[in-house]
Amino acid sequence: DAGITQSPRHKVTETGTPVTLRCHQTENHRYMYWYRQDPGHGLRLIHYSYGVKDTDKGEVSDGYSVSRSKTEDFLLTLESATSSQTSVYFCAISAGTGKMSYEQFFGPGTRLTVL
Amino acid sequence: AQKVTQAQTEISVVEKEDVTLDCVYETRDTTYYLFWYKQPPSGELVFLIRRNSFDEQNEISGRYSWNFQKSTSSFNFTITASQVVDSAVYFCALSPGSSNTGKLIFGQGTTLQVKP
Repeated sequence: DAGITQSPRHKVTETGTPVTLRCHQTENHRYMYWYRQDPGHGLRLIHYSYGVKDTDKGEVSDGYSVSRSKTEDFLLTLESATSSQTSVYFCAISAGTGKMSYEQFFGPGTRLTVL
Repeated sequence: AQKVTQAQTEISVVEKEDVTLDCVYETRDTTYYLFWYKQPPSGELVFLIRRNSFDEQNEISGRYSWNFQKSTSSFNFTITASQVVDSAVYFCALSPGSSNTGKLIFGQGTTLQVKP
């Protein structure tokens, strides 16, 4: 199994509070991703990183920010949580992209509930 | 537009039946990658297969087989002699080669229930 952990695994918070989710990998992979999973939508990309301090937006990035100060850690922050951000969040890692595209391995997920 | 469609929302079969999960994709890229993932009730996402657009050979792995047809933009997944442990949500995903991000575009998923 790929060495990916996410913390916390479950969180309940209130609308308007900031929340940070952490993804940690031990594979030294360059690429890291944050997805959210919602019924009827599959998984959708929020943000991704292609190296330390190199990040970019995915298709559902509004209301989220990310940071990557070390290869092994990728943080997802909800600056002011809203009920629409209640979801299951998955982190993924990959060794390569484009013509060298490798499969993405996923972390165990974080279930976030915003009341 | 880049898109993946899994038209079957839910499928229910009886153990030992064969079942095919459909996946249709849209992309203008000539180089792209297709994936299948399994999400059992425990919630984790398990990688099953990756295919690149230049390799149309069908693949078989035990009871699992995949049929990739570029002519119909489909990448269907068949489970032969299904078992209760195959009950899960299955996702098909596309990674366009031109995006250079490695991001995956997922279909909505197909929930497979295998009854004993």
